Amino acid sequence: DGGITQSPKYLFRKEGQNVTLSCEQNLNHDAMYWYRQDPGQGLRLIYYSQIVNDFQKGDIAEGYSVSREKKESFPLTVTSAQKNPTAFYLCASRATSGAQETQYFGPGTRLLVL
Amino acid sequence: QQQVKQSPQSLIVQKGGIPIINCAYENTAFDYFPWYQQFPGKGPALLIAIRPDVSEKKEGRFTISFNKSAKQFSLHIMDSQPGDSATYFCAASIRDSGAGSYQLTFGKGTKLSVIP
Repeated sequence: DGGITQSPKYLFRKEGQNVTLSCEQNLNHDAMYWYRQDPGQGLRLIYYSQIVNDFQKGDIAEGYSVSREKKESFPLTVTSAQKNPTAFYLCASRATSGAQETQYFGPGTRLLVL
Repeated sequence: QQQVKQSPQSLIVQKGGIPIINCAYENTAFDYFPWYQQFPGKGPALLIAIRPDVSEKKEGRFTISFNKSAKQFSLHIMDSQPGDSATYFCAASIRDSGAGSYQLTFGKGTKLSVIP
């Protein structure tokens, strides 16, 4: 059963704490993306990666970090520098062969601050 | 900054009605325009997409109308059903000439409610 999985579904962060959101895909896609969704704001790009061991900042990268050590995995760390982390975080992937533009999304992780 | 402006923010229609959601863009280099549907607590899913070389695309009850000269595109849902109640996002992408990447720029979304 191919797709994108994100865990956990809910995550609570204490002040000053770094937390890591997991994103795994078995679609054999090269490109992966992280978005932040706030009510009424649409989806904003945090980071993206076109290939293993390479990633670029999106529009709102401050306070976040990523790694791409494996094709299947693209974890996102919300650092203590992110002062307003409460949001719904979405991971997506895309096939890069054949100029495919469609991005497939995971089910999301809701991050709440204690 | 590349932008996609979406309206209305929310829309209520009766079952069988035809809700229309509109989007406008600024960058004429955009070459792919998808619509995503999102149910509460779930990730968005691709609904339908269009390229600027056609003026209309239909898939089932969903139709995209595209006006290249006006830089606008819209989603029409025929014979809307309560199960269509969701948030709809338009988006646009441009191939990054440097990295060959496609980055989607999203509208802010329209919350559609279809009442029985």
